[in-house]
Amino acid sequence: QLVLTQSPSASASLGASVKLTCTLSSGHSSYAIAWHQQQPEKGPRYLMKLNSDGSHSKGDGIPDRFLGSSSGAERYLTISSLQSEDEADYYCQIWGTGNVIFGGGTKLTVL
Amino acid sequence: EVQLVESGGGLVKPGGSLRLSCAASGFTFSSYSMSWVRQAPGKGLEWVSCISSRTQYIYYADSLKGRFTISRDNTKNSLYLQMNSLRAEDTAVYYCARVIKPVVTGALDLWGLGTLVTVSS
Repeated sequence: QLVLTQSPSASASLGASVKLTCTLSSGHSSYAIAWHQQQPEKGPRYLMKLNSDGSHSKGDGIPDRFLGSSSGAERYLTISSLQSEDEADYYCQIWGTGNVIFGGGTKLTVL
Repeated sequence: EVQLVESGGGLVKPGGSLRLSCAASGFTFSSYSMSWVRQAPGKGLEWVSCISSRTQYIYYADSLKGRFTISRDNTKNSLYLQMNSLRAEDTAVYYCARVIKPVVTGALDLWGLGTLVTVSS
């Protein structure tokens, strides 16, 4: 069964870096995922598709500060030079034949 | 401009029906699979349904089968979600999203702003 696990919250200081994690369920470590950002009171925004080998393709206009990486069943989103507008919920997404699953989301607070 | 704009949300009584629409512009709508995703107040994202570019494949979340119907009209660049037998737990913002090529289920690379559906007596 496809399951994605995310920590509910994370925090980091303005100008610093933060690494968010999305853990894939057992047996699915070869799957690609997508990362999405949802700022307060806004719709989600596609950030990137992240493959198991760490290669990724970003959405239009996504800054270089957003970087994806992979290790085994873990998928990471690293945001560097944190800005106030990066304070948002971040969701990972996975898909199989006939279904789509979202992680529970990580609420990022920029201190 | 590449965008998706949802409409049709509103207040409906339990047991009622509602039809959501999503107008696509700025890209070749007929070339993409499309999805609906919802978000209950204060909760995370929940996938609802997807439909392939020419309606060959349609999938639903298991919890919604039989009550919701997804459809599209490529001549009008529009996606639809017919929702019947609505329940309080269907209260959510409903988002239209584009599926990255060339798959039916895949990364969602473009999102609309959403339309709010409230089911309450």
